[in-house]
Amino acid sequence: ETGVTQSPTHLIKTRGQQVTLRCSSQSGHNTVSWYQQALGQGPQFIFQYYREEENGRGNFPPRFSGLQFPNYSSELNVNALELDDSALYLCASSSLPDTQYFGPGTRLTVL
Amino acid sequence: QKEVEQDPGPLSVPEGAIVSLNCTYSNSAFQYFMWYRQYSRKGPELLMYTYSSGNKEDGRFTAQVDKSSKYISLFIRDSQPSDSATYLCAMSSKDPGNTPLVFGKGTRLSVIA
Repeated sequence: ETGVTQSPTHLIKTRGQQVTLRCSSQSGHNTVSWYQQALGQGPQFIFQYYREEENGRGNFPPRFSGLQFPNYSSELNVNALELDDSALYLCASSSLPDTQYFGPGTRLTVL
Repeated sequence: QKEVEQDPGPLSVPEGAIVSLNCTYSNSAFQYFMWYRQYSRKGPELLMYTYSSGNKEDGRFTAQVDKSSKYISLFIRDSQPSDSATYLCAMSSKDPGNTPLVFGKGTRLSVIA
């Protein structure tokens, strides 16, 4: 298992609500990436943080936002939840020159 | 056309078989290639990580990259029921430590005892 942890494991929200997902990086990693994985699909890149700064963003609307803290942990915030936001949200941590290691994910259901 | 194409399967094989999983891609800038294994309702687990063309072997797993054909493969020898999972290929154009990974849809594999 990687040292990447995510909380909570599962979450149920209703349309229009806001949600915050959390991620702790593997020790020694300074970069965190967030991905959305819909059922039956591969993960889609949301954004990446390096040393507390956003370092790239995928094709997701501004209601998806994030933070990285000095200890390299991270949060993903989603406002105005829509039904299509139901997915597995994955956090991955990394540090050059290695690749990304994923956490177990948070399963979000929007009703 | 999606950047990375992967046959979703499902693929069902008997225990002990050799399994071949494949991805094709369209972006010639991709240089870093990864295979992840994902068990149901879990996060992806890194299996293999290769740079540019060539082969890499790790135990029962062999990864092949053919950049001229834009084609990558993962071979699993002596497959076991515990190999039953979804296999995701992923790739990036720059160092994957600080570059977005682009994934295929994943191939579901079942190894039957």
